[in-house]
Amino acid sequence: GQNIDQPTEMTATEGAIVQINCTYQTSGFNGLFWYQQHAGEAPTFLSYNVLDGLEEKGRFSSFLSRSKGYSYLLLKELQMKDSASYLCAGMDSNYQLIWGAGTKLIIKP
Amino acid sequence: DVKVTQSSRYLVKRTGEKVFLECVQDMDHENMFWYRQDPGLGLRLIYFSYDVKMKEKGDIPEGYSVSREKKERFSLILESASTNQTSMYLCASSFRLEAGELFFGEGSRLTVL
Repeated sequence: GQNIDQPTEMTATEGAIVQINCTYQTSGFNGLFWYQQHAGEAPTFLSYNVLDGLEEKGRFSSFLSRSKGYSYLLLKELQMKDSASYLCAGMDSNYQLIWGAGTKLIIKP
Repeated sequence: DVKVTQSSRYLVKRTGEKVFLECVQDMDHENMFWYRQDPGLGLRLIYFSYDVKMKEKGDIPEGYSVSREKKERFSLILESASTNQTSMYLCASSFRLEAGELFFGEGSRLTVL
């Protein structure tokens, strides 16, 4: 079956670094995606990995290991506005996204 | 700025009522999707459409139907609402299916009493 696992909730301190892990199992693989969703708002696209390695985009980076079925989202210099849910999604062979339940990130001052 | 607009942010309906949720995108995207989002579960695909008048079932199509008469508009229909359809409904669009970058609307929170 297809499955995406990520932690339910994480807490971090303003200014610190946090890593949100995601393991995936999909029928075929066409990429791993991260979305951010603030409470009561629409999810917005953050990053995409299809090859192994690290993709950096400002304070956010995303890593992929296809052999391990593993990805992480790294957030640096945390700000209060980074408090949100982070959704991990794998794309299967039919180009459909399989979504994790999301990780709620709580940032404390 | 890209925009996906859902007709209603909040709806309260009674069991057995017919419910229409409308979604409009202004990006000339080929693909449109309807998801539902429930606490503790990932987004679940109800239906998607890759062209006008075309539709494909997602993972949970039972109890729902869709309509895409124009490229920019994708409607979700609950023929006879039930309490287990109480949920947040998210519409999304994308230019290319394989790109994976979806643009979401703000969501429609439906409560069925």
